[in-house]
Amino acid sequence: QKEVEQDPGPLSVPEGAIVSLNCTYSNSAFQYFMWYRQYSRKGPELLMYTYSSGNKEDGRFTAQVDKSSKYISLFIRDSQPSDSATYLCAMSYQGGSEKLVFGKGMKLTVNP
Amino acid sequence: KAGVTQTPRYLIKTRGQQVTLSCSPISGHRSVSWYQQTPGQGLQFLFEYFSETQRNKGNFPGRFSGRQFSNSRSEMNVSTLELGDSALYLCASSSSITSRETQYFGPGTRLLVL
Repeated sequence: QKEVEQDPGPLSVPEGAIVSLNCTYSNSAFQYFMWYRQYSRKGPELLMYTYSSGNKEDGRFTAQVDKSSKYISLFIRDSQPSDSATYLCAMSYQGGSEKLVFGKGMKLTVNP
Repeated sequence: KAGVTQTPRYLIKTRGQQVTLSCSPISGHRSVSWYQQTPGQGLQFLFEYFSETQRNKGNFPGRFSGRQFSNSRSEMNVSTLELGDSALYLCASSSSITSRETQYFGPGTRLLVL
């Protein structure tokens, strides 16, 4: 079993839809949870960063962490064509520069 | 503040050659990590440097090596290139090894081995 599992999709939604992206993980020692967005031929861009359990909201984006279920989610409200990208979940045991363990990434397309 | 920069952006090499990739972290960041991204394996951790010392290493063969300079800039080297080394190599920087701050990625160097 991989440490971090993420459905690779692809996922295609109409503009304005609510998008739900998810990852599961096996190691309960993970404490820091990140979502990165990667456009084609670019490096990953940090979207959301959460420590431990709970919710975090930033504009149209909401990140949720459920440590009891070992499950994290990213919700995108009012999705836009510019949200079309690959979304990667990542996690680490400690913060800072400790190595990140990534999911495979989910390719999202938002159709106008 | 300028982001993480990586050079070169694209590289084509042949099997058996070696390659050196460069990374300049965000100003003030002292930690640099390297990752390999391929369609099949996704993003995998290579190694991490802090204050010129390698602190952590992933499961890659010894052909993959790196170093960090006193100004926090980092280089990674791959010797005796194999076809399977074709990938996007990403550098990420972080301000601290202990803070809750996370890592910020550069645009990557796309390496093609023929």
